[in-house]
Amino acid sequence: GENVEQHPSTLSVQEGDSAVIKCTYSDSASNYFPWYKQELGKGPQLIIDIRSNVGEKKDQRIAVTLNKTAKHFSLHITETQPEDSAVYFCAARLHQTGANNLFFGTGTRLTVIP
Amino acid sequence: EAGVAQSPRYKIIEKRQSVAFWCNPISGHATLYWYQQILGQGPKLLIQFQNNGVVDDSQLPKDRFSAERLKGVDSTLKIQPAKLEDSAVYLCASSLVTYEQYFGPGTRLTVT
Repeated sequence: GENVEQHPSTLSVQEGDSAVIKCTYSDSASNYFPWYKQELGKGPQLIIDIRSNVGEKKDQRIAVTLNKTAKHFSLHITETQPEDSAVYFCAARLHQTGANNLFFGTGTRLTVIP
Repeated sequence: EAGVAQSPRYKIIEKRQSVAFWCNPISGHATLYWYQQILGQGPKLLIQFQNNGVVDDSQLPKDRFSAERLKGVDSTLKIQPAKLEDSAVYLCASSLVTYEQYFGPGTRLTVT
C-alpha cells in the first residue's frame, strides 16, 4: 500500500501570515494528491488537488506544490484568516486499475490567531 | 447541488450490539466509499463501490462489517457485533469519476 506522512501535527500562525503543511508519500505509483479541510463535527472538504503531471496549482490564497522525484507535496495558505482554522489532511491516490483508494496523512491542526 | 447525506449523525451502542449507517451520494455519482476515521487520525478506506459492484474491500473487517449498495444509489454499512475499537466517525464519500471524492458529514459511533 501507500504510506503518507504529514508535518507538522499542529501549527499556529498570526492572522495574515502564511502557513505551510508538508507531506511525503512512499509509492511512486501514486498519481493524485488532494488536500482536505475538516472543521469540528464535519466531514472533510476538498479544497485543492494536484495530479502527478503538474508541479504546482493555485486557487486564490491556497496553492499546492508537488515534487515527484522527492515524493513530497505541500499546501501553502497565504494571508491566513481565522476561518482557516481547522484540521488539514493530505492524501495520495495509489494508481490501481478501477480502485480509487486515498491514503491519508495524520492531519495538521492549524490555528490562526486574530 | 445537494451534498452527500448520512444518517444518523450520532449513535451510541453497547459492545456486541449491531448498528447500521445509511448514505445517499451526490446525484449521478457512480462511485461510493465508506471510510473509518478514528479520533486523531486520517480517514481509512473500508470499501469502494462502483455502481452496484464492490471494487475494493481489502480493508473491511468482513467478520463483523458488511456493506451493500442496492440499485447503485444508497448504501448501508453494518457492524455486527460491535467492539469497543469500532468507536470512530464513519464517513461516506462519492465521486463522479475516479479522482475528486466528496465527503458527507459522517456518523459518530460510540461503543460502550
